[in-house]
Amino acid sequence: QKEVEQDPGPLSVPEGAIVSLNCTYSNSAFQYFMWYRQYSRKGPELLMYTYSSGNKEDGRFTAQVDKSSKYISLFIRDSQPSDSATYLCAMSGGTSYGKLTFGQGTILTVHP
Amino acid sequence: DVKVTQSSRYLVKRTGEKVFLECVQDMDHENMFWYRQDPGLGLRLIYFSYDVKMKEKGDIPEGYSVSREKKERFSLILESASTNQTSMYLCASSPRRGDIQYFGAGTRLSVL
Repeated sequence: QKEVEQDPGPLSVPEGAIVSLNCTYSNSAFQYFMWYRQYSRKGPELLMYTYSSGNKEDGRFTAQVDKSSKYISLFIRDSQPSDSATYLCAMSGGTSYGKLTFGQGTILTVHP
Repeated sequence: DVKVTQSSRYLVKRTGEKVFLECVQDMDHENMFWYRQDPGLGLRLIYFSYDVKMKEKGDIPEGYSVSREKKERFSLILESASTNQTSMYLCASSPRRGDIQYFGAGTRLSVL
């Protein structure tokens, strides 16, 4: 079993939809959680960063962490075609401190 | 802005060739990383370094070596390239262990 599981999709939604991207993990020591966005043929860029449990909002993006369920989510409101990309969750903490453990990535397409 | 620069965007090499992938960061970060990214497998850590002249094996170090002679530069070396090393290679740096990683644009390597 992988330490971090992420549904690879692909996910296709109409413009304006609310998108929910999710990751589950097994290592209860993880305490730093990130979401990266990767456009085609580019490197990943940081989208959201959260520490421990709770919510964090940045514009149309909301990151949620539920440590009790070992579950993190990224919500995108009013999705736009420019949001079409691969979204990667990543986390670190405990004995893996110093390294990030990534999910497989979810391919999202937002069509006009 | 943090800048992580990878020397080549695309490389084509022959089986058995020695290949050097170079990465430079301009933010005085202590930590640097090399990943490869393959469809369905996500990002996999090859090697990382916490300081000059230090290196640590990641999850898939076989067939690779690294060099970090200066803080800003981290090189990935394929001693004898093989076709199964055809992949997207991503370099990253971070200011602290377990912290956000900043990625380069990637090098797409094809080994024929």
